[in-house]
Amino acid sequence: GAVVSQHPSWVICKSGTSVKIECRSLDFQATTMFWYRQFPKQSLMLMATSNEGSKATYEQGVEKDKFLINHASLTLSTLTVTSAHPEDSSFYICSCGKSSYNEQFFGPGTRLTVL
Amino acid sequence: GQQVMQIPQYQHVQEGEDFTTYCNSSTTLSNIQWYKQRPGGHPVFLIQLVKSGEVKKQKRLTFQFGEAKKNSSLHITATQTTDVGTYFCAGDMRFGAGTRLTVKP
Repeated sequence: GAVVSQHPSWVICKSGTSVKIECRSLDFQATTMFWYRQFPKQSLMLMATSNEGSKATYEQGVEKDKFLINHASLTLSTLTVTSAHPEDSSFYICSCGKSSYNEQFFGPGTRLTVL
Repeated sequence: GQQVMQIPQYQHVQEGEDFTTYCNSSTTLSNIQWYKQRPGGHPVFLIQLVKSGEVKKQKRLTFQFGEAKKNSSLHITATQTTDVGTYFCAGDMRFGAGTRLTVKP
């Protein structure tokens, strides 16, 4: 399968700061990247879908000004959690999709803790 | 909006017993995918089903897609301890809640 990396793997920050998470597809060009958040022992909640070179499509209830997504190239997407608060603490996972198949390849995830 | 329901939430079996998890959608799906997430890990793609009534097998795993393309199941025959993890279905990008499988040796 394809390899997807995420950086950082974990981050602890103070309330009010912004945190940027990178998602990279290492061995293929991902036309579409997805961002999820997962609370402990719960399922993955799709936050947004991003296509290279265009604005991200956010799911209902996800604030686009709060969670900024940039998909600058076919191998890199970033998620910035702006003015993070303790309720934003979660596990954020990205996934990448190949163009001709809907299979998703997941990154290892980033655990965000906001104090 | 579209909902994907998955049951059961938990399943504990004795090694060698069979296991099944079910997914149901409120709307017709274009495809359904199954993923496995080991404790502490990230979801790993298992399979995708796209055709009505489709059945696919991977060794001891059997995947089915309903005729109406609204439900799906994953069946594991003779579970092993390596099968431990949470199994998620995803219908058109919407994930079910997952079924956490534990296996007693």
